[in-house]
Amino acid sequence: RKEVEQDPGPFNVPEGATVAFNCTYSNSASQSFFWYRQDCRKEPKLLMSVYSSGNEDGRFTAQLNRASQYISLLIRDSKLSDSATYLCVVNLAGGTSYGKLTFGQGTILTVHP
Amino acid sequence: NAGVTQTPKFRILKIGQSMTLQCTQDMNHNYMYWYRQDPGMGLKLIYYSVGAGITDKGEVPNGYNVSRSTTEDFPLRLELAAPSQTSVYFCASASSGVNEQYFGPGTRLTVT
Repeated sequence: RKEVEQDPGPFNVPEGATVAFNCTYSNSASQSFFWYRQDCRKEPKLLMSVYSSGNEDGRFTAQLNRASQYISLLIRDSKLSDSATYLCVVNLAGGTSYGKLTFGQGTILTVHP
Repeated sequence: NAGVTQTPKFRILKIGQSMTLQCTQDMNHNYMYWYRQDPGMGLKLIYYSVGAGITDKGEVPNGYNVSRSTTEDFPLRLELAAPSQTSVYFCASASSGVNEQYFGPGTRLTVT
């Protein structure tokens, strides 16, 4: 089983749509969680951290379910500029894994007019 | 505040050549990382460092070496380049082992 698993998509949605991405992680000792965004041929950039209580940043909402080892990202009112690859990222943060992030393969989103 | 900078942006190497990829950060971060990303694939950790003078191997260290003589700089050395090292290389830094990482713009390397 992969340490961090995402549905690779691609997701093709019209502008204004709501889209949800899911991610599962295998190590129950994981301590911190993030969603990154990567545009084509660019570096990954932090979209948002994910907290146990859930958190929202404008049109983006992230949820964490530690019991199910599941992370989600909801994008409301999609814009053309949201087209990118979304990376689920987990920090195992224990023992020899301290300080290392584990990246999912990424979910490709294309928003069309 | 430039964040994480990398040089060069692009490089073409012949098989067997060597080169150093430069990475500098101005955020006074202790943690620094080198990743490679092959087309259509996720990021794989090559080496990382938790502070000046301390480095450790990641998932795919073979064919690479690193050093960390200062907090700011974390160069990646490729010895005897091989076609399998054709990739995009990203450097990243973080203030701690549990915080988010900030990435440089990447170096696109082709080995022919």
